[in-house]
Amino acid sequence: AQSVAQPEDQVNVAEGNPLTVKCTYSVSGNPYLFWYVQYPNRGLQFLLKYITGDNLVKGSYGFEAEFNKSQTSFHLKKPSALVSDSALYFCAVRDAGNTPLVFGKGTRLSVIA
Amino acid sequence: DVKVTQSSRYLVKRTGEKVFLECVQDMDHENMFWYRQDPGLGLRLIYFSYDVKMKEKGDIPEGYSVSREKKERFSLILESASTNQTSMYLCASSLWQGSNQPQHFGDGTRLSIL
Repeated sequence: AQSVAQPEDQVNVAEGNPLTVKCTYSVSGNPYLFWYVQYPNRGLQFLLKYITGDNLVKGSYGFEAEFNKSQTSFHLKKPSALVSDSALYFCAVRDAGNTPLVFGKGTRLSVIA
Repeated sequence: DVKVTQSSRYLVKRTGEKVFLECVQDMDHENMFWYRQDPGLGLRLIYFSYDVKMKEKGDIPEGYSVSREKKERFSLILESASTNQTSMYLCASSLWQGSNQPQHFGDGTRLSIL
């Protein structure tokens, strides 16, 4: 069975500092990994995905994520955080095939001015 | 851009009522999904559908049913609403074409059962 863990419920970072939101996964085959962001009272917005190839994936709004197969991790990163990045972030995974995404419980990011 | 539209942003219903949540997507996606989102529990899959008139149970289907009579529309039905079904409900859609397709979400329906 597929699963995703986001070990931190909350991440606080100062504006201008780098941010990392952690995600680890478990799948039986090759992982297909996704990050989403949710602003208050909105649905989830797709940020980026890892399918294959380069371990560093670039996405929307300056976010990137690093795939590490040996550590089964897919951490979300941004070099310089903005207050407007404050939101709820979800990591998701599926293995090969047309199956629904499995989501982590989410990490709330607060960027403080 | 893909647009997934949920018919109501906020809905208040009473215990025992039959409740319909509607979702429409405009990108000819084969797959459609219903999740509920609760604090500390993340997103949990209720039902999904790969095609018209097809449905599959997700992780928490009890107390819910779905209908997909047209490709663009996927309805979630609470047969007899209960207070523990108070939640945020999110609809999503995606292309059938395999593992690399993201799911696209609507803005959600915040449902309160009194």
